[in-house]
Amino acid sequence: DIQMTQSPSSLSASVGDRVTITCRASQSIDSYLNWYQQKPGKAPKLLIYAASSLQSGVPLRFSGSGSGTDFTLTISSLQPEDFATYYCQQSYSTPLGTFGQGTRLEIK
Amino acid sequence: EVQLVESGGGLVQPGGSLRLSCVDSGFTFSSNSMSWVRRAPGKGLEWVANINPDASEKYYVDSVKGRFTISRDNAKNSLYLQMNSLRAEDTAVYYCARISIVVESSDYYGMDVWGQGTTVTVSS
Repeated sequence: DIQMTQSPSSLSASVGDRVTITCRASQSIDSYLNWYQQKPGKAPKLLIYAASSLQSGVPLRFSGSGSGTDFTLTISSLQPEDFATYYCQQSYSTPLGTFGQGTRLEIK
Repeated sequence: EVQLVESGGGLVQPGGSLRLSCVDSGFTFSSNSMSWVRRAPGKGLEWVANINPDASEKYYVDSVKGRFTISRDNAKNSLYLQMNSLRAEDTAVYYCARISIVVESSDYYGMDVWGQGTTVTVSS
């Protein structure tokens, strides 16, 4: 089974900061990588698919990059509504499902 | 707009059973694979189970194999999760999610529509 490892597990940042979250797969997954955002008490939301494609309606300050085993999610200028937990997910192997352990983004 | 609405959560004793339901108010339910995902208190998201459009393929995380059963009724636009032999570690918010092809004519998939979640608490 493919394992997904995110770093850091938590992160404190200020409004306006540039933030990068990393996700590493235990084997190559090409570009089969999704990112989700989950706010407290809410359902997860698909942000980025195929490693770098923005889901409809997601602000342009979010971007994704990487291929193979190493991926990043970048928020170029943090906004108050971005403080949430972020998860990566591999979609390379059946079944679609495996998530990283999450990165909690907190206000400094 | 597609909406998924879960129900069936509640408080149950260890060893007990619950059946979760998820109704899709949209019109594409029968065309999509579906998933159950949970988030335990203080933990991250955990994929639980998937089912393909005609229910011929079902997948489960190891920790629920033999105890949980995913099913669907396309005529009712409904997804189910039968949970038996429940344990304290099954306590979580359970979400249903639609699996879609996110890049046209490709094999890139994502969970693009989610329900609001239903809470399952296993405790004596």
